[in-house]
Amino acid sequence: AQTVTQSQPEMSVQEAETVTLSCTYDTSESDYYLFWYKQPPSRQMILVIRQEAYKQQNATENRFSVNFQKAAKSFSLKISDSQLGDAAMYFCAYRTNTGNQFYFGTGTSLTVIP
Amino acid sequence: GAGVSQSPRYKVAKRGQDVALRCDPISGHVSLFWYQQALGQGPEFLTYFQNEAQLDKSGLPSDRFFAERPEGSVSTLKIQRTQQEDSAVYLCASSLYGPSGKNIQYFGAGTRLSVL
Repeated sequence: AQTVTQSQPEMSVQEAETVTLSCTYDTSESDYYLFWYKQPPSRQMILVIRQEAYKQQNATENRFSVNFQKAAKSFSLKISDSQLGDAAMYFCAYRTNTGNQFYFGTGTSLTVIP
Repeated sequence: GAGVSQSPRYKVAKRGQDVALRCDPISGHVSLFWYQQALGQGPEFLTYFQNEAQLDKSGLPSDRFFAERPEGSVSTLKIQRTQQEDSAVYLCASSLYGPSGKNIQYFGAGTRLSVL
């Protein structure tokens, strides 16, 4: 069974600083995708970044980057130059290449301190 | 539309009432998903449609939950005889193509259901 674990229920970061959110997952599949979604108080899940498991290169999207360690089944999100608008719940998610559903972690609540 | 639209935004129901939650996916999107998000938890998969066909309903928690997408666009999630444990945010997502990990799911803002 696929499971996604986020061990940090809450994190805080000073504005303009860097923060890393942790995620580990368990799977027996070799071909899959990993995602980080942001959920602000408006509740709408917004895709932050996506990583294909077959790619060794870590994905980056502007201030957001991941550290994907396939052997360790680890997928952390680094937010650089944190902004007030980054404050939200962050969910790590896993999906097989052919599967219908996402498997989400329990989320990390990020606070950005001015 | 520009995004996935869900209505109502909030729904309060008395225990035992039936409720219907609507999802209007992005125009042209083939795949539609429903998720249930309990307070303080991540979303959990309920069901998946490809066009009008419900291909996976393995996540529906009981036979009180029923979903349909009769014309392959708008979908309705119906909960019969609501119970307090049904209180959650119900999220809908759509994606352009069929099931493939590379296809991005776009989420709506959800319906928050409170059962009293």
